[in-house]
Amino acid sequence: ETGVTQSPTHLIKTRGQQVTLRCSSQSGHNTVSWYQQALGQGPQFIFQYYREEENGRGNFPPRFSGLQFPNYSSELNVNALELDDSALYLCASSLKGVASPLHFGNGTRLTVT
Amino acid sequence: DQQVKQNSPSLSVQEGRISILNCDYTNSMFDYFLWYKKYPAEGPTFLISISSIKDKNEDGRFTVFLNKSAKHLSLHIVPSQPGDSAVYFCAARGDTDKLIFGTGTRLQVFP
Repeated sequence: ETGVTQSPTHLIKTRGQQVTLRCSSQSGHNTVSWYQQALGQGPQFIFQYYREEENGRGNFPPRFSGLQFPNYSSELNVNALELDDSALYLCASSLKGVASPLHFGNGTRLTVT
Repeated sequence: DQQVKQNSPSLSVQEGRISILNCDYTNSMFDYFLWYKKYPAEGPTFLISISSIKDKNEDGRFTVFLNKSAKHLSLHIVPSQPGDSAVYFCAARGDTDKLIFGTGTRLQVFP
């Protein structure tokens, strides 16, 4: 059973640029969620995708968007990057409808300069 | 508004002793609670969970206690081992699938 994998592991971008982060879900999981973890904080929910549609969103602006593909892999896109977007971005997969834990990848560390 | 709070940013415990990590929440609609452990440069790893219909769940050295009236849960690790040194996050789930995390407690287990 393969776990959740994320790419790239690290990324440096300039303010105003756009970034795409990628995630492959754990096999057998049909739901993917994205979280942002700023330094010294707990992960904050960005959004969740199920059946290729957004299925819940946290308090993040529309410049944060995502996609889920038929193979349950996912992308997180952030437009017009701001300095405060610097954080660890975590992808997590799960099975919808089951009271089961989220399984996280190791994250992508994004630095915006 | 922090719905899940971990008021102790750090905890230091001697190897072999009990570690107790605490978590408070404000939303009585939360129905499922989890603890995650996080090492540097890794994602959070699921440790143990508890449903709101229970007050205790045990898995080896790890036990989670839930006190719904006090809106409080705790994680007990006994005996503590040096490999348990990590940041521990408490998380809660409400009527959606999203998890709300606390800010974490850094546990250090020393010999």
